[in-house]
Amino acid sequence: DIVMTQSPDSLAVSLGERATINCESSQSVLYSSNNENYLAWYQQKPGQPPKLLIYWASTRESGVPDRFSGSGSGTDFTLTISSLQAEDVAVYYCQQYYTTPFTFGPGTKVDIK
Amino acid sequence: QLQLQESGPGLVKASETLSLTCTVFGGSITSGSYWGWIRQPPGKGLEWIGTIYYSGSTYYNPSLKSRVTISVDTSKSQFSLNLSSVTAADTAVYYCAGQRGGNDAFDVWGQGTMVVASS
Repeated sequence: DIVMTQSPDSLAVSLGERATINCESSQSVLYSSNNENYLAWYQQKPGQPPKLLIYWASTRESGVPDRFSGSGSGTDFTLTISSLQAEDVAVYYCQQYYTTPFTFGPGTKVDIK
Repeated sequence: QLQLQESGPGLVKASETLSLTCTVFGGSITSGSYWGWIRQPPGKGLEWIGTIYYSGSTYYNPSLKSRVTISVDTSKSQFSLNLSSVTAADTAVYYCAGQRGGNDAFDVWGQGTMVVASS
């Protein structure tokens, strides 16, 4: 199985400041034939299902604010919230869909400082 | 707009079979999407259980494969999860979700249903 790790476990950021979450996969999720990274980011608020934010490592899902961005390739990825808003308080998960079993990172909790 | 809704018992006795159904609204279950089940124990992370294509092709998590069956009923726009021989470790919120392709992110999710496996 591809093991996904995230850092930090949690972070607190002031409103309007940048939040950065890291995700590492135990093996590359870059598919050489199409040069795509099979990596997604989700946001989960309490009592709600996860919401897809980013797929193919850097493509924003329709309707997702542009303050959310994804970057990285191979085994190392980053989710950046450029200017944290109150509604961004949530747990964020990365997930690889390169191969089954699809696996998720343990999550990073983002709070307001 | 595509929506998913889980249904099924909220309480299952230990050693029995957990059965859930997901109904697809606002779109066709045969649209080319893949349909999956993911679970989340209380206060913990997400675990993929398995995925099915409308044709019936299935992909299961090896950690659960011996106990899991996912099936589809296109006439009812539903897909279902059966998890046998449940224990307390199977207590979780169970989500159904859709993928645009077999190797794709989960872009649409149901609200989830809490299932408690109780002895």
